[in-house]
Amino acid sequence: ETVLTQSPATLSVSPGERAALSCRASQSVSSKLAWYQQKPGQAPRLLIYGASTRATGIPARFSGSGSGTEFTLTISSLQSEDFAVYYCHQYNNWPLTFGPGTKVDIK
Amino acid sequence: EVQLVESGGGLVQPGESLRLSCSASGFTFSTYSMNWVRQAPGKGLEWVSYITSSSGTINYADSVKGRFTISRDNAKNSLYLQMSNLRDEDTAVYYCARYWDSFDYWGQGTLVTVSS
Repeated sequence: ETVLTQSPATLSVSPGERAALSCRASQSVSSKLAWYQQKPGQAPRLLIYGASTRATGIPARFSGSGSGTEFTLTISSLQSEDFAVYYCHQYNNWPLTFGPGTKVDIK
Repeated sequence: EVQLVESGGGLVQPGESLRLSCSASGFTFSTYSMNWVRQAPGKGLEWVSYITSSSGTINYADSVKGRFTISRDNAKNSLYLQMSNLRDEDTAVYYCARYWDSFDYWGQGTLVTVSS
């Protein structure tokens, strides 16, 4: 099983600041890595797929990078609506797996 | 507009069965692979099962293999998850999710509670 490790577990950021979230895979997932945002009581929302492609309607302040085993989600300037939990997800190897999540909260 | 609406959740006792449904609209359901993903209360996301558009390939997480069965009816634009021999640890919100280079659309989920 491909284990995804996300760091940090919690990231405290002030509005307007930049945030960088890390996801590391225990084996290569090529570029089949996605990022999701989840707010309390809501379903996850796709942000990034293919490691770096923004999903439809996702603002340009969200960007993804990496390949193989090391990936990063960057939010260039945090807006109030961006405070949430972020999950990475690999869909290259079976079983499909998710990281444990990074909670981005207000500093 | 793509919509996925789950139903069928509820409170059941350990060992009992339950069938979840996911009704799809706003896209050509028969051309997409689909998945079930669950989230235990206060926990992260766990992939449960996958089915291709024609039902030709089906995969399960080890945690549900032999107890859960995924199926679909393309004529009814519906996805199903038959869950049997339910355990306490199956308590979760169950989401159906469309698969297109990741899970691009999700339903709002249906809560399954397994408790005596």
